[in-house]
Amino acid sequence: EAGVTQFPSHSVIEKGQTVTLRCDPISGHDNLYWYRRVMGKEIKFLLHFVKESKQDESGMPNNRFLAERTGGTYSTLKVQPAELEDSGVYFCASSTDRGNEQFFGPGTRLTVL
Amino acid sequence: GQQLNQSPQSMFIQEGEDVSMNCTSSSIFNTWLWYKQDPGEGPVLLIALYKAGELTSNGRLTAQFGITRKDSFLNISASIPSDVGIYFCAGGPYTGANSKLTFGKGITLSVRP
Repeated sequence: EAGVTQFPSHSVIEKGQTVTLRCDPISGHDNLYWYRRVMGKEIKFLLHFVKESKQDESGMPNNRFLAERTGGTYSTLKVQPAELEDSGVYFCASSTDRGNEQFFGPGTRLTVL
Repeated sequence: GQQLNQSPQSMFIQEGEDVSMNCTSSSIFNTWLWYKQDPGEGPVLLIALYKAGELTSNGRLTAQFGITRKDSFLNISASIPSDVGIYFCAGGPYTGANSKLTFGKGITLSVRP
């Protein structure tokens, strides 16, 4: 069974540009989460989808971040316009509807210059 | 907000030794999970705990869900070089229900051959 995949693995952009990150969860997992780890800090929750609906978006830092999950399969996280403090590793995780065991993807390392 | 405390930031042990890591919180969590992250990879789930007082093993790993629901520990016995990595504890607010996880900052484990 394929795990959670994320694309791209790395992205380097300039301040003010737009970047879109993609996450493909484990097939059949209704729950999809986005997290972010800024250098030296803890992994922080951003948002939780159940199928195509946003269950909890309390961790989204501001309105420059937009997450979508059309059709309840893959998800995208768009940052527009990117700021320097958005640099970090963005993780996606997915889980079934039983329990809270979340399986993480390899992450996308975003660098904003 | 809720925080999980992991210390020290780094641990250095000799191959073959046992090591114990603690995770504490001022808030109650009803699910505790332990993850390991290798360089360039996403966190990999090691053990999930759902009941206060629960002690669970996975090979050389043993983890316990503290009776107060405010702490957990992870034990690694007879360490080997591939145990090197960052160990994160994570807490969830509900038992068995999908929700965001709160992470500790992680402990970087080094194992000397």
